[in-house]
Amino acid sequence: AQSVTQPDIHITVSEGASLELRCNYSYGATPYLFWYVQSPGQGLQLLLKYFSGDTLVQGIKGFEAEFKRSQSSFNLRKPSVHWSDAAEYFCAVRTLTGGGNKLTFGTGTQLKVEL
Amino acid sequence: DGGITQSPKYLFRKEGQNVTLSCEQNLNHDAMYWYRQDPGQGLRLIYYSQIVNDFQKGDIAEGYSVSREKKESFPLTVTSAQKNPTAFYLCASSREDQTPNIQYFGAGTRLSVL
Repeated sequence: AQSVTQPDIHITVSEGASLELRCNYSYGATPYLFWYVQSPGQGLQLLLKYFSGDTLVQGIKGFEAEFKRSQSSFNLRKPSVHWSDAAEYFCAVRTLTGGGNKLTFGTGTQLKVEL
Repeated sequence: DGGITQSPKYLFRKEGQNVTLSCEQNLNHDAMYWYRQDPGQGLRLIYYSQIVNDFQKGDIAEGYSVSREKKESFPLTVTSAQKNPTAFYLCASSREDQTPNIQYFGAGTRLSVL
């Protein structure tokens, strides 16, 4: 069965430091992968997605992610974190179910930014 | 503005009561979804609908019901059979004419039990 693992529940970084959030997936076919961000009490906003082609994808707010098939990973990175990046981040993989489109989410990583 | 509107933002349920969460979208999307979010558990799919007058159960449909009478609307009813309804509920929608398609989310409804 498909699954997504985000091994880090909480991460704290200093403002201006680099960031990497880990995501590992389990899916038999070619995965379609997403990173979403959620501010407290809000819905999810799409940061970036990987469907095919270049394994390094760029997203909004200066985020990027790299798809590594050999490691079943899709880690999210940012070179320099801003205080406004503090939020919860979710990795997701698209799966097909009954002909429909379904997202399987990881349990999320809560990012805290120290000033 | 185009988007997904969920209402109310906060909702309280009494014991034995059914409550309905509203989700409206003006994006002309065919598919709509309901997710439940609990701390530390990510999002879990309750129901989804790919077309008007049709919907399918997700992973945790027990204690919930939905309808899809209009393309724009996908209300979720939390019934009295749902014994642990306290959670954050998120509605999403997507186009069905793209592969793969992207889900867009509303701002959520937080449901609490009195």
